Amino acid sequence: NAGVTQTPKFQVLKTGQSMTLQCAQDMNHEYMSWYRQDPGMGLRLIHYSVGAGITDQGEVPNGYNVSRSTTEDFPLRLLSAAPSQTSVYFCASRGPNTGELFFGEGSRLTVL
Amino acid sequence: AQSVTQLDSQVPVFEEAPVELRCNYSSSVSVYLFWYVQYPNQGLQLLLKYLSGSTLVKGINGFEAEFNKSQTSFHLRKPSVHISDTAEYFCAVRETTSGTYKYIFGTGTRLKVLA
Repeated sequence: NAGVTQTPKFQVLKTGQSMTLQCAQDMNHEYMSWYRQDPGMGLRLIHYSVGAGITDQGEVPNGYNVSRSTTEDFPLRLLSAAPSQTSVYFCASRGPNTGELFFGEGSRLTVL
Repeated sequence: AQSVTQLDSQVPVFEEAPVELRCNYSSSVSVYLFWYVQYPNQGLQLLLKYLSGSTLVKGINGFEAEFNKSQTSFHLRKPSVHISDTAEYFCAVRETTSGTYKYIFGTGTRLKVLA
Protein backbone atom coordinates (compact mmCIF):
# COMPACT_ATOMS: atom_id res chain seq x y z
CA ASN A 1 0.00 0.00 0.00
CA ALA A 2 1.29 3.43 -0.93
CA GLY A 3 -0.86 5.18 1.70
CA VAL A 4 -0.92 8.95 1.20
CA THR A 5 1.22 10.25 -1.66
CA GLN A 6 2.11 13.91 -2.13
CA THR A 7 3.74 15.55 -5.13
CA PRO A 8 5.94 17.46 -5.61
CA LYS A 9 8.22 17.05 -2.60
CA PHE A 10 9.94 20.38 -3.26
CA GLN A 11 8.87 23.46 -5.22
CA VAL A 12 10.15 27.00 -5.62
CA LEU A 13 7.75 29.64 -6.92
CA LYS A 14 7.92 33.33 -7.64
CA THR A 15 5.37 35.68 -6.09
CA GLY A 16 2.17 35.66 -8.11
CA GLN A 17 2.68 32.27 -9.73
CA SER A 18 0.11 29.54 -9.34
CA MET A 19 0.56 25.87 -8.65
CA THR A 20 -1.21 22.74 -7.42
CA LEU A 21 -0.01 20.39 -4.73
CA GLN A 22 -1.25 16.90 -5.42
CA CYS A 23 -2.45 14.43 -2.81
CA ALA A 24 -3.66 10.90 -3.47
CA GLN A 25 -4.59 8.07 -1.11
CA ASP A 26 -5.30 4.44 -1.89
CA MET A 27 -7.03 3.48 1.37
CA ASN A 28 -10.55 4.49 0.30
CA HIS A 29 -10.71 7.08 3.07
CA GLU A 30 -13.58 9.54 2.91
CA TYR A 31 -11.91 12.22 5.06
CA MET A 32 -8.92 14.11 3.68
CA SER A 33 -7.25 17.30 4.80
CA TRP A 34 -4.42 19.74 4.17
CA TYR A 35 -2.18 21.26 6.84
CA ARG A 36 0.68 23.68 6.75
CA GLN A 37 3.56 23.41 9.19
CA ASP A 38 5.53 26.47 10.23
CA PRO A 39 8.23 26.71 12.91
CA GLY A 40 6.77 27.24 16.37
CA MET A 41 3.20 27.05 15.10
CA GLY A 42 2.64 23.33 14.76
CA LEU A 43 0.21 22.14 12.12
CA ARG A 44 -2.64 24.38 11.04
CA LEU A 45 -5.62 23.11 9.11
CA ILE A 46 -6.14 24.73 5.70
CA HIS A 47 -9.06 22.80 4.16
CA TYR A 48 -10.68 19.45 4.67
CA SER A 49 -13.14 17.18 2.91
CA VAL A 50 -15.49 14.54 4.30
CA GLY A 51 -16.14 12.97 0.91
CA ALA A 52 -16.22 13.50 -2.83
CA GLY A 53 -17.90 16.79 -3.69
CA ILE A 54 -17.73 18.14 -0.12
CA THR A 55 -15.06 20.53 1.13
CA ASP A 56 -14.84 22.99 4.00
CA GLN A 57 -12.44 25.56 5.39
CA GLY A 58 -10.04 25.07 8.25
CA GLU A 59 -8.36 27.76 10.31
CA VAL A 60 -6.08 29.23 7.61
CA PRO A 61 -7.92 28.88 4.24
CA ASN A 62 -7.09 32.27 2.67
CA GLY A 63 -5.07 32.01 -0.52
CA TYR A 64 -5.85 28.33 -1.05
CA ASN A 65 -8.50 26.46 -3.02
CA VAL A 66 -9.44 22.78 -2.94
CA SER A 67 -11.76 20.44 -4.76
CA ARG A 68 -12.68 16.79 -4.28
CA SER A 69 -13.93 15.17 -7.46
CA THR A 70 -12.89 11.63 -6.46
CA THR A 71 -12.40 9.78 -3.19
CA GLU A 72 -8.72 9.26 -3.96
CA ASP A 73 -7.55 12.78 -4.82
CA PHE A 74 -7.55 16.07 -2.92
CA PRO A 75 -5.43 18.74 -4.68
CA LEU A 76 -4.51 22.04 -3.04
CA ARG A 77 -4.28 25.06 -5.34
CA LEU A 78 -2.40 28.29 -4.79
CA LEU A 79 -3.81 30.79 -7.30
CA SER A 80 -1.33 33.61 -6.66
CA ALA A 81 1.53 32.59 -4.43
CA ALA A 82 2.81 34.92 -1.71
CA PRO A 83 5.99 34.70 0.41
CA SER A 84 3.76 34.09 3.45
CA GLN A 85 2.83 30.76 1.89
CA THR A 86 6.37 29.47 2.21
CA SER A 87 5.84 26.39 4.35
CA VAL A 88 5.78 22.63 4.50
CA TYR A 89 2.42 21.23 3.46
CA PHE A 90 1.01 17.92 4.64
CA CYS A 91 -1.92 15.99 3.31
CA ALA A 92 -3.66 13.55 5.65
CA SER A 93 -6.54 11.12 5.40
CA ARG A 94 -8.57 9.46 8.13
CA GLY A 95 -9.56 5.87 8.52
CA PRO A 96 -13.25 5.28 9.33
CA ASN A 97 -12.75 3.03 12.31
CA THR A 98 -9.49 3.94 14.00
CA GLY A 99 -9.97 7.70 14.03
CA GLU A 100 -6.31 8.43 13.34
CA LEU A 101 -4.87 10.55 10.55
CA PHE A 102 -2.46 9.08 8.01
CA PHE A 103 0.04 11.62 6.69
CA GLY A 104 1.93 12.03 3.47
CA GLU A 105 5.64 12.86 3.54
CA GLY A 106 5.09 16.54 2.93
CA SER A 107 5.70 19.13 0.22
CA ARG A 108 8.19 21.90 0.92
CA LEU A 109 7.19 25.11 -0.86
CA THR A 110 9.31 28.24 -1.10
CA VAL A 111 7.83 31.44 -2.52
CA LEU A 112 10.38 34.09 -3.49
CA ALA B 1 -13.39 25.53 19.52
CA GLN B 2 -10.82 23.20 20.90
CA SER B 3 -7.24 24.20 21.50
CA VAL B 4 -4.19 22.13 22.40
CA THR B 5 -1.31 23.45 24.49
CA GLN B 6 2.15 21.98 24.56
CA LEU B 7 3.97 24.22 27.00
CA ASP B 8 7.46 22.85 26.37
CA SER B 9 8.83 23.76 22.96
CA GLN B 10 12.09 21.89 23.60
CA VAL B 11 13.02 19.14 26.05
CA PRO B 12 16.64 17.98 26.37
CA VAL B 13 17.17 14.72 28.25
CA PHE B 14 20.03 12.32 28.68
CA GLU B 15 19.91 8.86 27.17
CA GLU B 16 18.27 6.25 29.42
CA ALA B 17 16.58 8.94 31.53
CA PRO B 18 12.79 9.16 31.79
CA VAL B 19 10.87 11.88 29.96
CA GLU B 20 7.43 13.45 30.13
CA LEU B 21 6.03 15.67 27.37
CA ARG B 22 3.04 17.69 28.49
CA CYS B 23 -0.21 18.26 26.63
CA ASN B 24 -3.35 20.04 27.76
CA TYR B 25 -6.54 20.52 25.77
CA SER B 26 -9.27 23.06 26.25
CA SER B 27 -12.52 21.16 26.55
CA SER B 28 -13.73 18.52 28.96
CA VAL B 29 -16.37 17.13 26.62
CA SER B 30 -15.83 13.77 24.99
CA VAL B 31 -12.64 13.88 22.95
CA TYR B 32 -10.31 11.69 21.00
CA LEU B 33 -6.65 12.38 21.75
CA PHE B 34 -3.50 11.51 19.83
CA TRP B 35 0.27 11.77 19.99
CA TYR B 36 2.25 11.87 16.75
CA VAL B 37 6.00 11.81 16.17
CA GLN B 38 7.86 13.51 13.34
CA TYR B 39 11.42 12.52 12.52
CA PRO B 40 13.51 15.03 10.52
CA ASN B 41 12.25 15.61 6.97
CA GLN B 42 9.46 13.09 7.36
CA GLY B 43 5.70 13.10 7.80
CA LEU B 44 3.91 12.44 11.06
CA GLN B 45 3.46 8.95 12.46
CA LEU B 46 0.96 7.91 15.09
CA LEU B 47 2.51 7.03 18.47
CA LEU B 48 -0.69 6.32 20.37
CA LYS B 49 -4.32 7.34 20.71
CA TYR B 50 -7.06 7.56 23.29
CA LEU B 51 -10.58 6.95 22.02
CA SER B 52 -12.27 5.51 25.13
CA GLY B 53 -11.73 2.95 27.87
CA SER B 54 -8.58 2.66 29.97
CA THR B 55 -7.02 6.03 30.70
CA LEU B 56 -3.48 4.62 30.36
CA VAL B 57 -2.66 4.13 26.73
CA LYS B 58 0.39 2.31 25.45
CA GLY B 59 1.89 3.07 22.07
CA ILE B 60 4.81 2.18 19.89
CA ASN B 61 8.50 2.45 20.84
CA GLY B 62 7.79 2.14 24.58
CA PHE B 63 5.77 5.34 24.89
CA GLU B 64 2.62 5.65 26.97
CA ALA B 65 0.18 8.42 27.84
CA GLU B 66 -2.41 8.99 30.52
CA PHE B 67 -5.75 10.63 29.87
CA ASN B 68 -6.81 12.83 32.78
CA LYS B 69 -10.28 14.20 32.23
CA SER B 70 -10.39 16.41 35.33
CA GLN B 71 -7.14 18.13 34.40
CA THR B 72 -7.82 17.99 30.64
CA SER B 73 -4.35 16.57 30.11
CA PHE B 74 -2.81 13.83 28.00
CA HIS B 75 0.89 13.74 28.92
CA LEU B 76 3.29 11.46 27.06
CA ARG B 77 5.89 9.45 28.98
CA LYS B 78 8.74 7.07 28.38
CA PRO B 79 10.70 5.51 31.23
CA SER B 80 14.02 5.32 29.39
CA VAL B 81 14.76 7.24 26.19
CA HIS B 82 17.16 6.38 23.39
CA ILE B 83 19.08 8.57 20.98
CA SER B 84 16.69 7.42 18.26
CA ASP B 85 13.78 9.09 20.11
CA THR B 86 15.13 12.49 19.10
CA ALA B 87 12.25 13.98 17.12
CA GLU B 88 9.37 16.41 17.34
CA TYR B 89 6.22 15.28 19.12
CA PHE B 90 2.75 16.62 18.50
CA CYS B 91 -0.35 16.26 20.63
CA ALA B 92 -3.69 16.46 18.81
CA VAL B 93 -7.38 16.40 19.63
CA ARG B 94 -10.26 15.49 17.36
CA GLU B 95 -13.11 17.96 17.54
CA THR B 96 -16.60 17.08 16.35
CA THR B 97 -18.62 20.01 15.02
CA SER B 98 -21.97 19.63 13.25
CA GLY B 99 -21.22 16.01 12.50
CA THR B 100 -17.83 16.63 10.90
CA TYR B 101 -14.38 16.20 12.33
CA LYS B 102 -11.44 18.55 12.70
CA TYR B 103 -8.08 17.64 14.15
CA ILE B 104 -6.40 20.37 16.19
CA PHE B 105 -2.66 20.10 16.78
CA GLY B 106 -0.42 21.58 19.42
CA THR B 107 2.68 23.54 18.48
CA GLY B 108 4.96 20.57 19.09
CA THR B 109 7.73 19.63 21.53
CA ARG B 110 11.20 18.99 20.21
CA LEU B 111 12.77 16.14 22.19
CA LYS B 112 16.56 16.02 22.05
CA VAL B 113 18.18 12.97 23.60
CA LEU B 114 21.78 13.56 24.66
CA ALA B 115 24.48 10.89 24.87
